[in-house]
Amino acid sequence: KAGVTQTPRYLIKTRGQQVTLSCSPISGHRSVSWYQQTPGQGLQFLFEYFSETQRNKGNFPGRFSGRQFSNSRSEMNVSTLELGDSALYLCASSSGYQNEQFFGPGTRLTVL
Amino acid sequence: KQEVTQIPAALSVPEGENLVLNCSFTDSAIYNLQWFRQDPGKGLTSLLLIQSSQREQTSGRLNASLDKSSGRSTLYIAASQPGDSATYLCAAALSEAAGNKLTFGGGTRVLVKP
Repeated sequence: KAGVTQTPRYLIKTRGQQVTLSCSPISGHRSVSWYQQTPGQGLQFLFEYFSETQRNKGNFPGRFSGRQFSNSRSEMNVSTLELGDSALYLCASSSGYQNEQFFGPGTRLTVL
Repeated sequence: KQEVTQIPAALSVPEGENLVLNCSFTDSAIYNLQWFRQDPGKGLTSLLLIQSSQREQTSGRLNASLDKSSGRSTLYIAASQPGDSATYLCAAALSEAAGNKLTFGGGTRVLVKP
């Protein structure tokens, strides 16, 4: 069974641009969660989607948004990029509510 | 504010020694706790998941315990090997309402010396 995949793996953007990251969950998993990892703040929860609906949201500004498609693939968008958005963005998939979560390899975003 | 804490932030042990990693959480209403391993620049690998109704889980050389009353979970790795060198993270669903939202500790960076 294929694991969680994320594309692209690396991105370099400049301040003010926007970016879209993609996550494909494990086949059959309907929950996708997104996390931001930085050296200073560690791993922080962004949001979770389940069956195309946002089920939970972390404390991030509205510049961070996401969506989920009918095939459970999810995208995360960050608009008006800031230097502080440089981070490793990880997505995780789960088969249900509070089940084991499996993470992808992450997308490394660098904002210049 | 509900928090998850891991102390120490780093530790170094000689090969063959047993590893004991600690994770503390502030709310005994924790719903489940998961341990992960992260290699530099990589994603997270799930090691063990403990539901709130369980006291421990085991997988090979790994054993994780959960004590809700004291707000602690411990990950034991028996007979450590250099390949066990990584950062270990614990993460908790701090309430039933949290769903799949995990609150992470800061991690413990482990070095196993040959």
